[in-house]
Amino acid sequence: KQEVTQIPAALSVPEGENLVLNCSFTDSAIYNLQWFRQDPGKGLTSLLLIQSSQREQTSGRLNASLDKSSGRSTLYIAASQPGDSATYLCAVRPAIQSNTGKLIFGQGTTLQVKP
Amino acid sequence: ETGVTQSPTHLIKTRGQQVTLRCSSQSGHNTVSWYQQALGQGPQFIFQYYREEENGRGNFPPRFSGLQFPNYSSELNVNALELDDSALYLCASSRRDRETEAFFGQGTRLTVV
Repeated sequence: KQEVTQIPAALSVPEGENLVLNCSFTDSAIYNLQWFRQDPGKGLTSLLLIQSSQREQTSGRLNASLDKSSGRSTLYIAASQPGDSATYLCAVRPAIQSNTGKLIFGQGTTLQVKP
Repeated sequence: ETGVTQSPTHLIKTRGQQVTLRCSSQSGHNTVSWYQQALGQGPQFIFQYYREEENGRGNFPPRFSGLQFPNYSSELNVNALELDDSALYLCASSRRDRETEAFFGQGTRLTVV
């Protein structure tokens, strides 16, 4: 059974700091991995999608890496800003159920960036 | 903004009642998935609809059911509401192919009292 874990559960950093959020998954048979941002009480905003054949994706100050064999992904945020404060969720699409659209989520890392 | 819209945004129901939540998918997307997110947890997959049929289901009882319409919009129906059904319900739309990115709506906050 695929399980997704995110560490740490919460993180507080001063503005301007570079930071890394971690995501691990127990079964390497995935089709892709997606990082999301969620503001309190709101829906999910897609940040980056990494296909299983890719090693990393970049968008602006965000860089996500994927090491499928070790079951790990990281989300790197450069020069953090108070507006980055949110919960960050990673989700994997299992290869064996890839047609069902099922995503398996971690519990998220809640980030606070202090001015 | 994703183009996936959900209604209503908030809802309060009494235990035992029935509820219908609605989702309009993003233009060009033909599949809709529903997720339940309890407070402080990651979203849990309920089911997906493609070509108006259920195509994959998570670990949810039959009182959770859905519909997809020819325009790819969707409904989530929950019968015999329980207190534990209180959660944020999220709808995601995507294309059928496996490599597609999922886009989520803003969610419906359901409170069962």
